Amino acid sequence: DVKVTQSSRYLVKRTGEKVFLECVQDMDHENMFWYRQDPGLGLRLIYFSYDVKMKEKGDIPEGYSVSREKKERFSLILESASTNQTSMYLCASSGPGLAALPAYEQYFGPGTRLTVT
Amino acid sequence: AQSVTQLGSHVSVSEGALVLLRCNYSSSVPPYLFWYVQYPNQGLQLLLKYTTGATLVKGINGFEAEFKKSEHSYHLTKPSAHMSDAAEYFCAVSEGTSYDKVIFGPGTSLSVIP
Repeated sequence: DVKVTQSSRYLVKRTGEKVFLECVQDMDHENMFWYRQDPGLGLRLIYFSYDVKMKEKGDIPEGYSVSREKKERFSLILESASTNQTSMYLCASSGPGLAALPAYEQYFGPGTRLTVT
Repeated sequence: AQSVTQLGSHVSVSEGALVLLRCNYSSSVPPYLFWYVQYPNQGLQLLLKYTTGATLVKGINGFEAEFKKSEHSYHLTKPSAHMSDAAEYFCAVSEGTSYDKVIFGPGTSLSVIP
């Protein structure tokens, strides 16, 4: 089974802090994604990466940056956390990977619920 | 731009009743279609997907969905609801790009009444 893990389930940070959210997948997937999920708004794509050191902006990249130094790891960075970034953050991965077949679907981690006070 | 709509942000059904969750997409090009389920405080889990071939797709936990190209729809059904089906359900579409980007609908919260 594909496993996507996120470094924390719950996180509380103060306004202005730099926040790192880590995501690791074990299926050698090429593509990795960061979403935020808010009530009534569904999932919104922040950034995605299709290869090591490659990144693309999603629909709401403002206030966020990402890093992908290794294929299995994709980090989301909040340079200066603000209260409006309080949300559930979901990481996902997809790609042929070890299966060597087009899979199309995304596999999700359990999420990190971030509260910024 | 591609968009996905889910009719009804909240749906309640009685245990044992039919579950019907609606999904429509906007693209004129037949996309790849997915249904995901999210249980409380968990990530999303794939229920079923349509890429090519048979338009009636069977997924896990007794769910199925039928792709109707003429209606731009991909509604999710289950003949008999169980209490454990209470969750948030997301429809998603992809145009099959190499990056596997998908567009998610806003979600439908399903409640099952005993």
